Amino acid sequence: KAGVTQTPRYLIKTRGQQVTLSCSPISGHRSVSWYQQTPGQGLQFLFEYFSETQRNKGNFPGRFSGRQFSNSRSEMNVSTLELGDSALYLCASSLGSGPPQETQYFGPGTRLLVL
Amino acid sequence: AQSVTQLDSHVSVSEGTPVLLRCNYSSSYSPSLFWYVQHPNKGLQLLLKYTSAATLVKGINGFEAEFKKSETSFHLTKPSAHMSDAAEYFCVVSDSKGSTLGRLYFGRGTQLTVWP
Repeated sequence: KAGVTQTPRYLIKTRGQQVTLSCSPISGHRSVSWYQQTPGQGLQFLFEYFSETQRNKGNFPGRFSGRQFSNSRSEMNVSTLELGDSALYLCASSLGSGPPQETQYFGPGTRLLVL
Repeated sequence: AQSVTQLDSHVSVSEGTPVLLRCNYSSSYSPSLFWYVQHPNKGLQLLLKYTSAATLVKGINGFEAEFKKSETSFHLTKPSAHMSDAAEYFCVVSDSKGSTLGRLYFGRGTQLTVWP
């Protein structure tokens, strides 16, 4: 089975712009979660989508949003980019039917640099 | 509320010597606990997970962890370090109930260096 894929892998944007990141889960997985990883804050949960609905949300401002399509692929969007949004954004997929025990499988991440 | 504390931000060992990465958790309920590894410029890979079955959990690449409820600990060990083990390791707890069911909480990570 192919793993979780994320596109693009690297991105450079300037302050004030917006960005869209994409995540394709493992085939058959219906849950997609997004995480932000920075040196200062570590790994933080952004949100989780299951069957096209946001099921869980972390403590991030409304500039961070996401959605999930009927094929379980997910996108996250960050509007009005700030320098502090520079981070590695990780996507994880799971079956979605058996938390908290089921394993989340992570993609390689998208590294976003905001100038 | 769930939280995880990794007691060492950096651990250095010589190749062939034992590895111990320490983790304490705080959980209101019976926790599901995981250890993930992250190699440079890579995503996170699951090493092992505890889900209330055996308290000693064996994972990939010779790693294992022991769940100790009385000590709220889930330390990761390996008898003999290999150069390829050099990476960052994350201890993770999964929310067991409520509206945040399944949400992962990460420790700050432990950077493992292996000397030849």
